[in-house]
Amino acid sequence: RKEVEQDPGPFNVPEGATVAFNCTYSNSASQSFFWYRQDCRKEPKLLMSVYSSGNEDGRFTAQLNRASQYISLLIRDSKLSDSATYLCVVRSGGYNKLIFGAGTRLAVHP
Amino acid sequence: GAGVSQSPSNKVTEKGKDVELRCDPISGHTALYWYRQRLGQGLEFLIYFQGNSAPDKSGLPSDRFSAERTGESVSTLTIQRTQQEDSAVYLCASSLDLVFRDRDYEQYFGPGTRLTVT
Repeated sequence: RKEVEQDPGPFNVPEGATVAFNCTYSNSASQSFFWYRQDCRKEPKLLMSVYSSGNEDGRFTAQLNRASQYISLLIRDSKLSDSATYLCVVRSGGYNKLIFGAGTRLAVHP
Repeated sequence: GAGVSQSPSNKVTEKGKDVELRCDPISGHTALYWYRQRLGQGLEFLIYFQGNSAPDKSGLPSDRFSAERTGESVSTLTIQRTQQEDSAVYLCASSLDLVFRDRDYEQYFGPGTRLTVT
């Protein structure tokens, strides 16, 4: 079983739609959580950290459920420019290195 | 401020040759990571440097791969006797990696080196 699992998608949504991605992690001792975005043939870029209380940044909302060991990302009012691969990232307790999920592809169409 | 830089941006080499890839992390970042990403695939962890600690080499795929880091600055990833399966984008990332805040573990990536082995 992979440490971090994501639905690879693709999620094809129209502009203005709300879309949600989930991610599950296997190590209950995991401590830090992030969402990264990767555009085609570009490097990953940090989208947001995920805090226990949940956090929002504009149209993006991240939630963490430690009991069920999953993280979610909600994107409201999707834009064409949101089309990308979204990577779920986890730092497991006692280790500094981050574990990257394989990513969920999002395609927003007019 | 300046981000993570990598050089070269592209490298084409013949099978069997050695290559050296360079990474300049963000100033002040103590942790440095190398990843490999094959076309259409996810990130594959290679090696992690943290300050003066021994590097975590658990992700290096074979003994043809090695990496060095000078203090808390530049790192080089060397691939000896390259094979066609080494063709990929090699990404470097750095982070503060302090223990006080979650955000100190946020990694910032360089643009990568696209390696093609012919």
